[in-house]
Amino acid sequence: GENVEQHPSTLSVQEGDSAVIKCTYSDSASNYFPWYKQELGKGPQLIIDIRSNVGEKKDQRIAVTLNKTAKHFSLHITETQPEDSAVYFCAATLSGSARQLTFGSGTQLTVLP
Amino acid sequence: DGGITQSPKYLFRKEGQNVTLSCEQNLNHDAMYWYRQDPGQGLRLIYYSQIVNDFQKGDIAEGYSVSREKKESFPLTVTSAQKNPTAFYLCASTMTRAANQPQHFGDGTRLSIL
Repeated sequence: GENVEQHPSTLSVQEGDSAVIKCTYSDSASNYFPWYKQELGKGPQLIIDIRSNVGEKKDQRIAVTLNKTAKHFSLHITETQPEDSAVYFCAATLSGSARQLTFGSGTQLTVLP
Repeated sequence: DGGITQSPKYLFRKEGQNVTLSCEQNLNHDAMYWYRQDPGQGLRLIYYSQIVNDFQKGDIAEGYSVSREKKESFPLTVTSAQKNPTAFYLCASTMTRAANQPQHFGDGTRLSIL
């Protein structure tokens, strides 16, 4: 079936370094790709999103890139800080579930001081 | 402040018991969603509602039921038919029916078996 694959499942970086998380999707008709940050015991919060008519979007230290041909999109966090430590989820609108959002399995990011 | 309120934060279920999780939003959003989150996994869609008095099954609806009698409320009942209910349950909403827009989440209810 249609799904979203997310890698890596865990990622540790030194404070100040960059972090990159990648997701691939299977439905070429997908048109919306959000990224969420989830802190322990809390609900996910949207940090950035991109639509299929755009290749890249940036918001301060966070950027998302989309490659529609290869069907993958990536989250880039630069100058990481300890407060960036959390679980990050990608998602895409897929044809399954009446084109509702399908989420990746998450990446636990740890920023080491 | 506008947002989504889920209650209770922790819930315990006895075998054979139905339990109901509350989700209320004051964002005036049209659509609401219920997700289940298991450790190390992504969010899986249980049910969603795009308009009052209407709802649709998601990927894992078996053993769950919902109602949408008011725009601001979308309670989820975990029935005794759900044999593995232990999980973190998240409620979300979107401004309109379209799926390709930001979802706003509550802070979840953690359900455990006694």
